[in-house]
Amino acid sequence: EAQVTQNPRYLITVTGKKLTVTCSQNMNHEYMSWYRQDPGLGLRQIYYSMNVEVTDKGDVPEGYKVSRKEKRNFPLILESPSPNQTSLYFCASNLLNSNTEAFFGQGTRLTVV
Amino acid sequence: DAKTTQPTSMDCAEGRAANLPCNHSTISGNEYVYWYRQIHSQGPQYIIHGLKNNETNEMASLIITEDRKSSTLILPHATLRDTAVYYCIVRVVGSGNTGKLIFGQGTTLQVKP
Repeated sequence: EAQVTQNPRYLITVTGKKLTVTCSQNMNHEYMSWYRQDPGLGLRQIYYSMNVEVTDKGDVPEGYKVSRKEKRNFPLILESPSPNQTSLYFCASNLLNSNTEAFFGQGTRLTVV
Repeated sequence: DAKTTQPTSMDCAEGRAANLPCNHSTISGNEYVYWYRQIHSQGPQYIIHGLKNNETNEMASLIITEDRKSSTLILPHATLRDTAVYYCIVRVVGSGNTGKLIFGQGTTLQVKP
């Protein structure tokens, strides 16, 4: 089954404690991205990757890092989380140069206290 | 900024057709119209997409006007499980495709018994 898998689904952490949210897809998609969703602000792109070892900033990259060492994985790293990073996060993947759809993970609800 | 305009909310009676409009008056020739929905806080789910012809799949129909400046998503027999936020998105396919999806605020569809 085609899917994007995020872990964990829920996470409560303290300010400053490094954390990683994992994302994996099984569709051999070149493009992967991370979004955050906040009330009244909708879904905003944090970072994206167009292929292995190719990453770039989205609209709200501050405070986040990503890596793309393998095609299937695209982890989101918060080196020093702060309360304003409390949000609902989604990973997505899709083929480039194709009109096929993007697939989204089920989301990670992060609370930073 | 989102390149589409949708009504903030709509109601629909269970079993009736739900018609969700979307305005994309600045759409370019190489941009497709995509529809996704988000049920509660789950990951966005792909529904349908089209370029200029009307499209139908097992979930919905998509009607695109001849000038491509607007479209309508039709859920032929809405059920309570169709209650969700529906997003209309335009995306470049082919050369110039960045893979990015720009989400607006969407239409909150409430299906009522």
